Amino acid sequence: QQQVKQSPQSLIVQKGGISIINCAYENTAFDYFPWYQQFPGKGPALLIAIRPDVSEKKEGRFTISFNKSAKQFSLHIMDSQPGDSATYFCAANNQGGKLIFGQGTELSVKP
Amino acid sequence: DGGITQSPKYLFRKEGQNVTLSCEQNLNHDAMYWYRQDPGQGLRLIYYSQIVNDFQKGDIAEGYSVSREKKESFPLTVTSAQKNPTAFYLCASSLQQRPHDEQYFGPGTRLTVT
Repeated sequence: QQQVKQSPQSLIVQKGGISIINCAYENTAFDYFPWYQQFPGKGPALLIAIRPDVSEKKEGRFTISFNKSAKQFSLHIMDSQPGDSATYFCAANNQGGKLIFGQGTELSVKP
Repeated sequence: DGGITQSPKYLFRKEGQNVTLSCEQNLNHDAMYWYRQDPGQGLRLIYYSQIVNDFQKGDIAEGYSVSREKKESFPLTVTSAQKNPTAFYLCASSLQQRPHDEQYFGPGTRLTVT
C-alpha cells in the first residue's frame, strides 16, 4: 500500500516531442505528489508538484495530470529538449510527511 | 550560498569497515533525511530526523546509524552489518516534516565497498 509504481523505466524521445511518464499508487492517504528531476551524479531537485484537489498543473513545458479515481498521475514534458535528458522520479507524501518514491524513469531526448 | 553539502563525493572502503558520510545544511531546516539510491529502485529512506537529538528509522535502517547533535549536521554511519553497502547516498532537508514541505537534496556520496 505504500508503493508508488512508475513506468516506463526508460524513455527515448526525439527533440520537440512529448515525453510522458506515468505513476500509480494505492494508498488514498497520499495527499501530495511531487516530481523530481535528477541529472547524472547530482541530487534530485523538485520539478513540479500537485495536490489531489486539482486535476492538472502546468509550469512552462511541464504538466502534471492527476486522476484521483484511478489513483494515477503523470508527467508530460512538451517540446522535449536534449537538456531535459535526466532521470525523473514521481513521489507521494502522506500526512506523516515521508516521501515514497517511484522507481525512476531515465529520459533521453535525441537531437 | 544556502544549500546542502555532502562529503566526500566518492568514498572507497574495504569490507568490514565502518564508514561515516557527512551531511551539512545551512538552510536552517529542522528536518533532515538520508536516502539510498540503487539503479531501478528509486530512493529508499534510511533514517530521518525531525529535530535535534531525535531521529527515526526509515524503511531500510538495518546496518546504518545516525546522530543529530546539531541542527545543521546529520551524519550517517554505514556499519559492517550492512550486507550490501555499495550505493549512492543522498541527504536531504526540509523546513519541517510536513507533507508539503519541499525536500532539498545534496549532491550525494557514492560509496564503493570491496
